[in-house]
Amino acid sequence: GAVVSQHPSWVICKSGTSVKIECRSLDFQATTMFWYRQFPKQSLMLMATSNEGSKATYEQGVEKDKFLINHASLTLSTLTVTSAHPEDSSFYICSARRGVSSGSYEQYFGPGTRLTVT
Amino acid sequence: AQSVTQLGSHVSVSEGALVLLRCNYSSSVPPYLFWYVQYPNQGLQLLLKYTSAATLVKGINGFEAEFKKSETSFHLTKPSAHMSDAAEYFCAVSVPRRQGGSEKLVFGKGTKLTVNP
Repeated sequence: GAVVSQHPSWVICKSGTSVKIECRSLDFQATTMFWYRQFPKQSLMLMATSNEGSKATYEQGVEKDKFLINHASLTLSTLTVTSAHPEDSSFYICSARRGVSSGSYEQYFGPGTRLTVT
Repeated sequence: AQSVTQLGSHVSVSEGALVLLRCNYSSSVPPYLFWYVQYPNQGLQLLLKYTSAATLVKGINGFEAEFKKSETSFHLTKPSAHMSDAAEYFCAVSVPRRQGGSEKLVFGKGTKLTVNP
């Protein structure tokens, strides 16, 4: 159990367009979902935390108007990169957590989405 | 503030040799610590986690880690490396939010493990 999927797995878009990435928890209800960005050969950087039915909490330095996050249900969160530019090209990974808030929680990660902006 | 430092961005071992990946943490509260593995172009998979129970934690694929408070360390080991262990490994610490809300994970920079035949 505890499978998280992402769609699409890779996407190429033109500069100035918007692209939406979906993150789904397939066999559990995710009270909280996280969105990370990973540059080549680097670690994961948390972009934002989303709780079902409420506004996402963005990390410092992340533009909330550019990276729109929606967590409309307990199994789906979406990240929309608006007006994408080449510098937005990256590997985006989501994760999901179930259960109540606890430091010992486990995050289940999706397989990632490779975004290339041309 | 909570953070982790992974010593060594690259580690190379021979197949069958001991694997040792180092992680030191900094935390103002009792930490929850995690080790994740990432294969190329994939997400992260949890290897093991420390949640203040036993200090020696056993995970999947033969990996284990020992929490040492006196050394602020949580090193990952495996007695005998296998070719399939070649991947990127990340140590992470759970960080509480100052103003409530869900805790978040802070990751180290990662260690790439190469296993030579």
